[in-house]
Amino acid sequence: EVRLVQSGVEVKKPGESLRISCKGSGYSFTSYWISWVRQLPGKGLEWMGRIDPSDSYTNYSPSFQGRVTISGDKSMSTAYLHWSSLEASDTAMYYCARHGEEHYSCFDYWGQGTLLTVSS
Amino acid sequence: QSVLTQPPSASGTPGQRVTISCSGSSSNIGSNYVYWYQQLPGTAPKLLIYRNNQRPSGVPDRFSGSKSGTSTSLAISGVRSEDEADYFCAAWDDTLYGPVFGGGTKLTVL
Repeated sequence: EVRLVQSGVEVKKPGESLRISCKGSGYSFTSYWISWVRQLPGKGLEWMGRIDPSDSYTNYSPSFQGRVTISGDKSMSTAYLHWSSLEASDTAMYYCARHGEEHYSCFDYWGQGTLLTVSS
Repeated sequence: QSVLTQPPSASGTPGQRVTISCSGSSSNIGSNYVYWYQQLPGTAPKLLIYRNNQRPSGVPDRFSGSKSGTSTSLAISGVRSEDEADYFCAAWDDTLYGPVFGGGTKLTVL
């Protein structure tokens, strides 16, 4: 069974750093891209960026370039999303999602989400 | 502002056929597969339709997808109360070099 399991709820202060994780299981982790998707409270879905776990190549949406860093550890079958300095506007639900068999595709499996609250 | 355009809401009574539209451009829907996702309240999105009109195993056959040019639609025949959810269309965008989404349609079953 394919599963993406994300790290838990986070409550942080503005200016703090954070890394959240997404662990894949039930499939060959290096064979499928992983993306991160943001959902602001009560809003739609926004693609942030993706990683190819086989070589750690990443690309980002222009809206998130420079604001976050995506990385991966294929030995742990885990992808990460990192902020160096959080802002209140980063308060949202964050999902990791696995791309389908074709690289230029959308997502077939999703993590359960990580809720981030940034508040002073 | 989402790249793909969906109506914000749709509704139907139990048993009715409901359709949700989604329009894009030549760089996304016009040249790549369309996907549809269902997001029940408080849960992660779930794949409903992939490659324009394919259903993953476990998705009821009352859900169907179609695509024509730069537009796509999701149809739910015989809508049920448990279908109340937000529905999102998505497609790879060749300009962005990543997936783009519609803003979502909230389905209400009256």
